[in-house]
Amino acid sequence: AQSVTQPDIHITVSEGASLELRCNYSYGATPYLFWYVQSPGQGLQLLLKYFSGDTLVQGIKGFEAEFKRSQSSFNLRKPSVHWSDAAEYFCAVGVPGNTPLVFGKGTRLSVIA
Amino acid sequence: GAVVSQHPSWVICKSGTSVKIECRSLDFQATTMFWYRQFPKQSLMLMATSNEGSKATYEQGVEKDKFLINHASLTLSTLTVTSAHPEDSSFYICSARAVSVDQETQYFGPGTRLLVL
Repeated sequence: AQSVTQPDIHITVSEGASLELRCNYSYGATPYLFWYVQSPGQGLQLLLKYFSGDTLVQGIKGFEAEFKRSQSSFNLRKPSVHWSDAAEYFCAVGVPGNTPLVFGKGTRLSVIA
Repeated sequence: GAVVSQHPSWVICKSGTSVKIECRSLDFQATTMFWYRQFPKQSLMLMATSNEGSKATYEQGVEKDKFLINHASLTLSTLTVTSAHPEDSSFYICSARAVSVDQETQYFGPGTRLLVL
């Protein structure tokens, strides 16, 4: 079965600084990979997804993620963080077939002035 | 596109009553919907997978008689918490797969916060 690890529970960055959130997955083949963001008291919003093709994926709100097969990773990046990016970020993995996504435990991002 | 709504957004009820939460896909048809529960500062816990026109598949440890799920149409799934108790208080989130958009992405509703007194 597939699994997802987000090693960082909480990250604090300064506004304007760059950001990288880590995500590692375990699956025998190339899975489908997702990043979602959740603001307090809200549902999850899809930031970006990778199915195949170009390993650098662009998403909404200036985020991007890079799929690295050799490292089984799908790290999320943003060159310049805004205070409004403070939220919980979830990495998720899916596999072919009508099965639910498997989520990591999430990384809470705090942004300081 | 691919918008999912939930109603109500929050509900307070007395212990012993039943509460129904609706999940709707507004601009697409969803053959599969998922129901999650989320505790404060934790990840999502999958409760059940709901397929249109068939019985829901519940995850291990989730009481199917307690959490009744109905997926009667391609745009609506409901979760009914029967005889709710304070330990059922939580944030419930649904998601739906948009087969017409892409088969693998789950689009999430805004969540329903349930408080049982």
